[in-house]
Amino acid sequence: EVQLVESGGGLVQPGGSLRLSCVGSGFPSNKDWMGWVRQAPGKGLEWVANINEDGRVTSYEDSVKGRFTISRDNVKRTLYLQMNSLRDEDTATYYCGRWVYHFGMDVWGQGTAVLVSS
Amino acid sequence: QSALTQPPSASGSPGQSVAISCTGTSSDIGAYNYVSWYQRYPGKAPKLIIYEVTKRPSGVPDRFSGSKSGNTASLTVSGLQAEDEADYYCSSHAGNYNVVFGGGTKLTVL
Repeated sequence: EVQLVESGGGLVQPGGSLRLSCVGSGFPSNKDWMGWVRQAPGKGLEWVANINEDGRVTSYEDSVKGRFTISRDNVKRTLYLQMNSLRDEDTATYYCGRWVYHFGMDVWGQGTAVLVSS
Repeated sequence: QSALTQPPSASGSPGQSVAISCTGTSSDIGAYNYVSWYQRYPGKAPKLIIYEVTKRPSGVPDRFSGSKSGNTASLTVSGLQAEDEADYYCSSHAGNYNVVFGGGTKLTVL
């Protein structure tokens, strides 16, 4: 079964840091672009970051550039999102996913919640 | 990187067809044939139902179809069924490996 499982969410104060992890199974770990998408309470889906198959190419949504870093360890089959300088507006459920077909996300994790609050 | 524009809601009776629009710009929808659509039930992860504007992944009923004209993409659901009641999101490649999503449309089957 193709599956992604996120972890690492939680409560953090503004200005703090968190690292999200996403472990994949059931598909090759080094064949696809991967990404993070988030959904704030009451809002729609928002793309956050992408990374290519070997981790050498990344892209970020403007509001997280310079604060978030996406990375991957294909040996461990794990995708990461390092989040620094967190803001209230980063509060959301974060989903990792596999991109196929020119940026259609065909596999999604179950999500991990991040709450930025003092 | 502005979000794509979708109507907040849409509705139709069983058996009818309903179209959901998704408007972007010449930098995203207008520039690439890389529009995707997702179906999402409450509490569940989104499901990819359309990719590359018109294509359906295996297992998606052909009642779901996609199209694009200029900077606007559309998802049409034909022969509405009760199980089609869900939230629908569009997304598009926006250059430089960026992606932009729409705000979502809640489809109600009357």
